[in-house]
Amino acid sequence: AQSVTQLGSHVSVSEGALVLLRCNYSSSVPPYLFWYVQYPNQGLQLLLKYTSAATLVKGITGFEAEFKKSETSFHLTKPSAHMSDAAEYFCAVSVRGGSYIPTFGRGTSLIVHP
Amino acid sequence: DAGVTQSPTHLIKTRGQQVTLRCSPKSGHDTVSWYQQALGQGPQFIFQYYEEEERQRGNFPDRFSGHQFPNYSSELNVNALLLGDSALYLCASSLSGTGKDSGNTIYFGEGSWLTVV
Repeated sequence: AQSVTQLGSHVSVSEGALVLLRCNYSSSVPPYLFWYVQYPNQGLQLLLKYTSAATLVKGITGFEAEFKKSETSFHLTKPSAHMSDAAEYFCAVSVRGGSYIPTFGRGTSLIVHP
Repeated sequence: DAGVTQSPTHLIKTRGQQVTLRCSPKSGHDTVSWYQQALGQGPQFIFQYYEEEERQRGNFPDRFSGHQFPNYSSELNVNALLLGDSALYLCASSLSGTGKDSGNTIYFGEGSWLTVV
């Protein structure tokens, strides 16, 4: 079975600073990897996904993530944080075949200070 | 292009009661999954429906049941509600098969907030 671990339940940055949200996955077969964002009182919105094409994936609102097989990681980064980036971020993994059911991490809350 | 829509958005139920939540998938999608998201947690998979049948199920008791209709919309039913069932219930849709927007990507609705008192 696949799983993800998100390191840090909360990450605090200043506006304009680098954002780094960590995600490590476990999967016995090549995975699909996702980052979702959840704003307060809303559902989850897909930020970006890795599906075995380019290892560096660019998403919406300036975020990107790099798939590193040797490190089993899929960390999410953004060069410069904006106040509007404050939200809950979830990393998820699914595998090929079957029904592609993604397994989610516990989430990381991004706090952006002015 | 309508996204995933869910109803109701909020509801309060009493322990022991039953609840039905509804979901319409994104236009063109044929697969519906339901998730439970407790406060401060990530979404937990309940079950997935495809072609009006439950295709896969997570670690949830039989009190949780569902249905998919010919138009691909879906319902989640929870019987004998417990306080611990209080959560955000998320519906997600996807497209089976291959292709750019195929089953490896799911799209979520805004969710239904259930409070059990």
